[in-house]
Amino acid sequence: DIQMTQSPSSVSASVGDRVTITCRPSQTINDYLNWYQQKPGKAPKLLIYGASTLQNGVPSRFSGSGSGTDFALTISSLQPEDFAVYYCQQSYNTPITFGGGTKVDMK
Amino acid sequence: VHLVQSGAEIKRPGASVKVSCAASGNTFTDYTLHWVRQAPGQRLEWMGWINAGNGDRKYSHNVQGRINITRDTSTSRAYLELSSLRSEDSAVYYCATLVYDILTGYQYFDSWGQGTLVTVSS
Repeated sequence: DIQMTQSPSSVSASVGDRVTITCRPSQTINDYLNWYQQKPGKAPKLLIYGASTLQNGVPSRFSGSGSGTDFALTISSLQPEDFAVYYCQQSYNTPITFGGGTKVDMK
Repeated sequence: VHLVQSGAEIKRPGASVKVSCAASGNTFTDYTLHWVRQAPGQRLEWMGWINAGNGDRKYSHNVQGRINITRDTSTSRAYLELSSLRSEDSAVYYCATLVYDILTGYQYFDSWGQGTLVTVSS
């Protein structure tokens, strides 16, 4: 199974801050990497697929980059509605696996 | 597609649970439906999928032997059945549809049910 390692596990930030979350799979996954946002009591919401393609309706302050074994999700200017947990997920092979999550909370 | 799941369940260790996922909005048989669970404070864990069109299935080795995913095309519902429940199976269970982009090969979960809390306790 491909292990997905996210860092940091949590980050405290203020509105307007730039936040970057990294995701490192245990083997190369080309660009088969997706990012999700999850708020308390809710299902995950797709933000980015294919490492860098923004899902329809997702604000442009979210961006994704990377390939192979090194990926990042960046929020260019944190907004109040962005405080949540973020997960990466690989779709390179089965079983599909997720990162451990990064909680973005208010400083 | 809009996915609506059945309600919360409380089960004893060793029992079985069956969770349903009703799909609406698009042609049910066009989708693969996946089940993903999330134990408290834990990462999301993929459990398996079913091709709603032809019934093909694949399961995670973590739950192989205890899991059965089925579908009913007449009611556009998918079902997850998990047997021999233990406390570690206490989690929120989600159904989700996986989009496959044939041009790029990208696959991603674009629609999710609201989640079903399953509690296993004696």
